[in-house]
Amino acid sequence: DGGITQSPKYLFRKEGQNVTLSCEQNLNHDAMYWYRQDPGQGLRLIYYSQIVNDFQKGDIAEGYSVSREKKESFPLTVTSAQKNPTAFYLCASSISIATNEKLFFGSGTQLSVL
Amino acid sequence: EDQVTQSPEALRLQEGESSSLNCSYTVSGLRGLFWYRQDPGKGPEFLFTLYSAGEEKEKERLKATLTKKESFLHITAPKPEDSATYLCAVQEGTDKLIFGTGTRLQVFP
Repeated sequence: DGGITQSPKYLFRKEGQNVTLSCEQNLNHDAMYWYRQDPGQGLRLIYYSQIVNDFQKGDIAEGYSVSREKKESFPLTVTSAQKNPTAFYLCASSISIATNEKLFFGSGTQLSVL
Repeated sequence: EDQVTQSPEALRLQEGESSSLNCSYTVSGLRGLFWYRQDPGKGPEFLFTLYSAGEEKEKERLKATLTKKESFLHITAPKPEDSATYLCAVQEGTDKLIFGTGTRLQVFP
């Protein structure tokens, strides 16, 4: 079945540690996104990528980094510079950004700080 | 500033008690309005896309409508399995989506 796979489901970060969240899609979509979800707030865009080897900052990119070396993969690294990383992280993809196509979401990663 | 506001924040319904969820927006050039359903601990699941005022779409007990200022998600005779958070998102032009904070729906038997 086509879809988006996020791993791990739960992740714990120690102070000063960088952690990487995995996102893989087999939908052949060009566009991929990372969102952060906090209780009582709407989904906020961290980074997005329209094509391989290209990505743009979203609304809250500080303390995060991404790469897009393959069409299928868009990993997110939460660096030690992100002082409040506890949140539910969602990866999504769409056919493209320019068209008004729906997003397909993964099942999310809950990141907590030890 | 472009904005998407959903109301109410939370809604408790008895099974079979119909109601509506609201999504109001202030973007100047609407490209599309999206409704998603999100279960606890999971990613949002696509429900509908509406493109222009007057448009309506239905799926089982759900019906989405759109005006120039807002969208409604009508739930007819809801069942407990309809309990979830319903998210609204708006796209202006070719820009990224703007999400509302969602309405948490609980349907009791």
